[in-house]
Amino acid sequence: EVQLVESGGGLVQPGGSLRLSCAASGFTFNNYAMTWVRQAPGKGLEWVSSTSGSGDSTYYTDSVRGRFTMSRDKSKNTLYLQMNSLRDEDTATYYCAKDLRAQQVFPVCFDYWGQGTLVTVSS
Amino acid sequence: QSALTQPRSVSGSPGQSVTISCTGTSSDVGGYNYVSWYQQHPGKAPKLMIYDVTRRPSGVPDRFSGSKSGNTASLTISGLQAEDEADYYCCSFTGSTNMFGGGTKLTVL
Repeated sequence: EVQLVESGGGLVQPGGSLRLSCAASGFTFNNYAMTWVRQAPGKGLEWVSSTSGSGDSTYYTDSVRGRFTMSRDKSKNTLYLQMNSLRDEDTATYYCAKDLRAQQVFPVCFDYWGQGTLVTVSS
Repeated sequence: QSALTQPRSVSGSPGQSVTISCTGTSSDVGGYNYVSWYQQHPGKAPKLMIYDVTRRPSGVPDRFSGSKSGNTASLTISGLQAEDEADYYCCSFTGSTNMFGGGTKLTVL
């Protein structure tokens, strides 16, 4: 059974940093591109970042590029999102999601999602 | 990067059909056959309902169908059931990113 379990969310002050983790199981982690999607309270979904199965290629939405870094640890089957210089508008529930298809450089649809972890940026 | 345009809300009675539109541009919806649709119940993670414009993952009822014409994709739900009441989001590949729609709240009357 595929499972994605996010952790690392919490309350942080503007300008601070946080690292989110997503522990994956039930599939061959290295074969699948992965994605972070966020959802501000009461708002819609927003694509944040994606990385290929190898981790060699990573993509970001404009509003987080240069502040967020997505990475993956193959030995731990874990995905990360390092978030620096956090802003009020980064407040959201962050979901990690798995690509439907294996061996894709860029994921275009997501068949499994974690339960999400809430990040609150506030002074 | 603006969101794809979806109606804020749609409604229908049990047994009826509803269609949710998702309008983009030739750089996203119109340019690629990589439109997907997600269902999200309150407090839950999104669930993939349609991918590659028209394909259904295993386990998704065939009451759910997708289509595309030009820069507008559509999700049609036929034979509405109470459990279909949820938020629905479209998503499109843009060439270098993914973009979601603003979301549509489906109310089953």
